Amino acid sequence: QKEVEQNSGPLSVPEGAIASLNCTYSDRVSQSFFWYRQYSGKSPELIMSIYSNGDKEDGRFTAQLNKASQYVSLLIRDSQPSDSATYLCAVNVGEYGNKLVFGAGTILRVKS
Amino acid sequence: GAVVSQHPSWVICKSGTSVKIECRSLDFQATTMFWYRQFPKQSLMLMATSNEGSKATYEQGVEKDKFLINHASLTLSTLTVTSAHPEDSSFYICSAVTSGGPIEQFFGPGTRLTVL
Repeated sequence: QKEVEQNSGPLSVPEGAIASLNCTYSDRVSQSFFWYRQYSGKSPELIMSIYSNGDKEDGRFTAQLNKASQYVSLLIRDSQPSDSATYLCAVNVGEYGNKLVFGAGTILRVKS
Repeated sequence: GAVVSQHPSWVICKSGTSVKIECRSLDFQATTMFWYRQFPKQSLMLMATSNEGSKATYEQGVEKDKFLINHASLTLSTLTVTSAHPEDSSFYICSAVTSGGPIEQFFGPGTRLTVL
């Protein structure tokens, strides 16, 4: 079983809709969870971090964490064509919790 | 804040030569830096963890003698790909963690290596 799993997509949504991206992880000890956005040919950019169960909102982005279900999600409201990218879920692992394991990423396409 | 730079942004070299990639934290001190490799259409794979003043910790399957890492200061880590071969062609990305803060990793822009 992979440590971090994501649906590879592509996920296609119309402009203005809500995009929902999901991620599951296997390490119950993990305490920190991150969503990165990666445009083609570029390095990842941190969008959201979440450490506690529940929701965390930042502008059009909402991260949701459920540690009991080992599930983390990212909602993008009012999706824009510029949101089209690959979204990487990352989970901290390792003895000191300072390493990240990335999912394979979900390709999001927002159609205008 | 939390800006990480990499140099060069791209490099083309002949098989058998060595290539050095620099990773710098521009506005913060990074006790820990990470080196990743990303092949086309694949996710990031951690190669090694670089701690200032100590030997790097390599992930399983990564040859430490081939991928030399030096973290001589709190703002600079280097990755040297020795005796590069075409299969080493990839996108190499470093990241840094701010000291004393949350463990969010900030990524450099990446270096695209092409070995002919």
